[in-house]
Order: sequence, then C-alpha cells, then structure tokens
Amino acid sequence: DVKVTQSSRYLVKRTGEKVFLECVQDMDHENMFWYRQDPGLGLRLIYFSYDVKMKEKGDIPEGYSVSREKKERFSLILESASTNQTSMYLCASSDPRGGGQETQYFGPGTRLLVL
Amino acid sequence: GENVEQHPSTLSVQEGDSAVIKCTYSDSASNYFPWYKQELGKRPQLIIDIRSNVGEKKDQRIAVTLNKTAKHFSLHITETQPEDSAVYFCAAVAEGYQKVTFGTGTKLQVIP
Repeated sequence: DVKVTQSSRYLVKRTGEKVFLECVQDMDHENMFWYRQDPGLGLRLIYFSYDVKMKEKGDIPEGYSVSREKKERFSLILESASTNQTSMYLCASSDPRGGGQETQYFGPGTRLLVL
Repeated sequence: GENVEQHPSTLSVQEGDSAVIKCTYSDSASNYFPWYKQELGKRPQLIIDIRSNVGEKKDQRIAVTLNKTAKHFSLHITETQPEDSAVYFCAAVAEGYQKVTFGTGTKLQVIP
C-alpha cells in the first residue's frame, strides 16, 4: 500500500519567512508532484520531478522552488512567503514504469496560513 | 498546454438519483483520463479511469464515457448514496508526459 506523508498538517508563518514543506513516499516512485488546492481553482501543479535532482516547472511555479536530493523525498520551498500563498498544499507520487500513465497517490495535505 | 474544463462546479441530487459530471480537454495528444474523489478533509483518490482506445468503462455504480472527437468525457454515478458526497476531479494526461492536468472540481452533495 502506497504511503505518502507530508511533514505538517497545519502551518502558520509570517510574511517574508522561508517555508519548507516536505513530502516522503515509500514506494520507490520515480515521479513526485507538488500541487496547491484553492476553492474553485482545483488542483494546480506547482512543480514536479521525474528523477533525483530533476525538476520541471508546473503551471504556477512563481514564488516557489523545489528540491529532490533523494528519490523518496520532495521538498517545496517558499523563498519569501506571501499572503497569497495561503493555501492547501498537496504532494503526490506516481510510477511511470509500466505504461506511461499512472495513478497519482496523494499525501494528506498541508494547510498553510501566511499572516 | 492542456486545459481541462469541468462542469458543474456544484451538484445536488436526491439519494438514489443519478449524477453526471462533464469535462472537456483541449490537447488532442491526451489519451488517459482519470477521475479522483476527495472526501471532506481527506486526500484525493483515484476512483476510475479511461484510456483513449475505449469509449466507456464501468465499475459498479460508476461509469466514465469518452468522446475523443469532441474532446469530452463524463463521469456517471447511478443510485447515488450519501457516501458519494465529495469533490470529484477529472484529469487529462498526454502520452509520454508525466504531467496531469486537473479540472476545477465538482462538489457533489447527495441529499438523504
């Protein structure tokens, strides 16, 4: 059973702080993703990674960066948090081996409030 | 890039009635269409998917249809139950790409 965990369920930060959100998966998946979820906007892709040290911009990368130093861990970094980054952040992983189209397994989410 | 539109944004049905959620996509290269269900306070989970080489797929009370020519696909839930209440997301994936483009979600409420 795939397990995707995120470092925090709730987080409160102040404007200008550097924020780290961490995601860990235990199924040796190659792909990992960071989304933000906002009411009425669905799931929007921030960044994804298809291998260690590899990253690709998603649809809304501005204000974010990522790090993938190990296969099982994918970190999202808010360099200088702003109030418009208040949101629910969801991590996901998937395994492209075996066809190219694969199920996304999501973490429980981190609800971030930037004051 | 791909753009996925989803309608309606909210849907209320009486228990036992059917519910239909519709999505359209823009990229003709998309060939895999998963649907995710997110219950309140929980993570999204895959409930059904369809690939471009089939037009319909069923799994008990849930079915998905795909019209590649028109670039639209739909989720059908029959005999709805209160536990079907959730937010449903459609998505589209192009072959050879890792990126999944999601719709904006439909909040389904099943009224007992």
